[in-house]
Amino acid sequence: SQTIHQWPATLVQPVGSPLSLECTVEGTSNPNLYWYRQAAGRGLQLLFYSVGIGQISSEVPQNLSASRPQDRQFILSSKKLLLSDSGFYLCAWSGVNTEAFFGQGTRLTVV
Amino acid sequence: KNQVEQSPQSLIILEGKNCTLQCNYTVSPFSNLRWYKQDTGRGPVSLTIMTFSENTKSNGRYTATLDADTKQSSLHITASQLSDSASYICVVNLMTTDSWGKLQFGAGTQVVVTP
Repeated sequence: SQTIHQWPATLVQPVGSPLSLECTVEGTSNPNLYWYRQAAGRGLQLLFYSVGIGQISSEVPQNLSASRPQDRQFILSSKKLLLSDSGFYLCAWSGVNTEAFFGQGTRLTVV
Repeated sequence: KNQVEQSPQSLIILEGKNCTLQCNYTVSPFSNLRWYKQDTGRGPVSLTIMTFSENTKSNGRYTATLDADTKQSSLHITASQLSDSASYICVVNLMTTDSWGKLQFGAGTQVVVTP
């Protein structure tokens, strides 16, 4: 069966520090991978999605970047965090006609 | 402008009552439309998934409908329970040349079920 792992679950980082959130998928190959952010009380905002290794599409200009070094690994990064980067980050994977499966999320607080 | 619009933004209902959530989308073509339930602080969990040729899909007390002509979908919750309190999100899976497999999310409807 397929599983998705996302870590860490919570993170408190000072302004200006770097960020690296990792997401890995097991039990499937060549998945579509996604990073979403959800501000408090708001809907999910798509940040990046990837249809293959090294293929990253960015949805909104921002302080973040994403990479897919391996087929089932998706990394969200920042060189210098801003206060506005605080939020709930979700990684997800899907096939074209399958449901999307989400990680448990990372609560990031930038202080 | 979001290509997937949900209404209402929030909803309060009494336990045991029914409710219907709406989703209007402008994206086309798409391969499927999904409804997810998201509890606070958790990742979304799939409720239903419908291809463009399906009109309805049920999952227990949840029934989703799809009208591809009017580009509207609804999620009906029957006999609501306190555990139904959550955000319900409509998601369209795009099938355009440059967005193959991309998921387009609505902002969600926050449902609160009260005793």
